[in-house]
Amino acid sequence: DAGVTQSPTHLIKTRGQQVTLRCSPKSGHDTVSWYQQALGQGPQFIFQYYEEEERQRGNFPDRFSGHQFPNYSSELNVNALLLGDSALYLCASSLVSEQYFGPGTRLTVT
Amino acid sequence: AQKITQTQPGMFVQEKEAVTLDCTYDTSDQSYGLFWYKQPSSGEMIFLIYQGSYDEQNATEGRYSLNFQKARKSANLVISASQLGDSAMYFCAMREGITGGFKTIFGAGTRLFVKA
Repeated sequence: DAGVTQSPTHLIKTRGQQVTLRCSPKSGHDTVSWYQQALGQGPQFIFQYYEEEERQRGNFPDRFSGHQFPNYSSELNVNALLLGDSALYLCASSLVSEQYFGPGTRLTVT
Repeated sequence: AQKITQTQPGMFVQEKEAVTLDCTYDTSDQSYGLFWYKQPSSGEMIFLIYQGSYDEQNATEGRYSLNFQKARKSANLVISASQLGDSAMYFCAMREGITGGFKTIFGAGTRLFVKA
């Protein structure tokens, strides 16, 4: 049973560019959440998708957008990248009493 | 507003001893869930244990137990018989709402060092 998978593992982008990160949830999970984790800090909630709709959103600008597909996989898009967007981006899939994270995508903006 | 507080930036424990990592939370919701995660230096976030706000028994998973004191709004993690591999960052997290549309917030974390 595959856990949560994310791609790519690492990514280097230039300021102003756009990036798309991908996530496949754990088998049986239908809810996907995205988090940003800056170095030395706890993860910050970006948004959550369920039934292909954004259900909750954290304090992130509209440059951060997402999508969920019918097979429950999800994408996180970030437009107009800033240096401050450099972080580990974590995807998590969940049921009521469990939430499992993927290995993350390390994004570096130069 | 939701808030998670972990007051111990770093903790040391001797191998084979037990250690308690503190977590307090603040919420106005009656229905919420509490999680603990381990994050080793590799960066992967590992799910350890979950406690629902309506669960009457403290959650346990192997060497991990969650000391849930609802009135005090605390959810401390107890690791028994510490191992060298337990050295990592530990995060307490809270989810408000149990079904549909919820968000999870994390504390700042506690770095645990296990000494041989």
